[in-house]
Amino acid sequence: AQSVTQLDSQVPVFEEAPVELRCNYSSSVSVYLFWYVQYPNQGLQLLLKYLSGSTLVKGINGFEAEFNKSQTSFHLRKPSVHISDTAEYFCAVNGGSQGNLIFGKGTKLSVKP
Amino acid sequence: GAVVSQHPSRVICKSGTSVKIECRSLDFQATTMFWYRQFPKQSLMLMATSNEGSKATYEQGVEKDKFLINHASLTLSTLTVTSAHPEDSSFYICSARALAGNTDTQYFGPGTRLTVL
Repeated sequence: AQSVTQLDSQVPVFEEAPVELRCNYSSSVSVYLFWYVQYPNQGLQLLLKYLSGSTLVKGINGFEAEFNKSQTSFHLRKPSVHISDTAEYFCAVNGGSQGNLIFGKGTKLSVKP
Repeated sequence: GAVVSQHPSRVICKSGTSVKIECRSLDFQATTMFWYRQFPKQSLMLMATSNEGSKATYEQGVEKDKFLINHASLTLSTLTVTSAHPEDSSFYICSARALAGNTDTQYFGPGTRLTVL
């Protein structure tokens, strides 16, 4: 069965600092991986996804993630964060045969001035 | 990009009443839509999978008679919370699955905040 582990529930950083949000997955089938961002009281917005091909995936808002099959990881990175990046970030993996996603518990990124 | 809408965005109701939440794919057809539930400060949990023209598939522990799902068309799925109780208060998010060529992407609605008094 597929599962996702986000190791950090909260990550506080200062503005313009780099950040890495960690995600590890477990899957017995072909893996599709996603990162979503959720701003307060809003739905999810897709940041980036890995389906196949290049293991380094670039997304919106300057985020990128690297698929590492040997380490079963898909960590999200940004070289310089802004106050506006403060949000909850969810890593997800493809789930059942219906195509649903299985989400990690989320990482709350707090960017401080 | 593909857009998914939900209506209403926020609803407050009395205990015992029923609430209907609509999920629409605005610019694409979705044979499959998913309904998730998110408790405060927690992740999204899949409630059910809604397929156009057939019965929804519910996850273990989700009462199908309480959470009625109807996928009447390729662009609309509805979730009705029947006889709502305070413990049903939550953030309900739908997503629509878009298949195009070799890509398979889910697009999420903005969510519906349900508060049951």
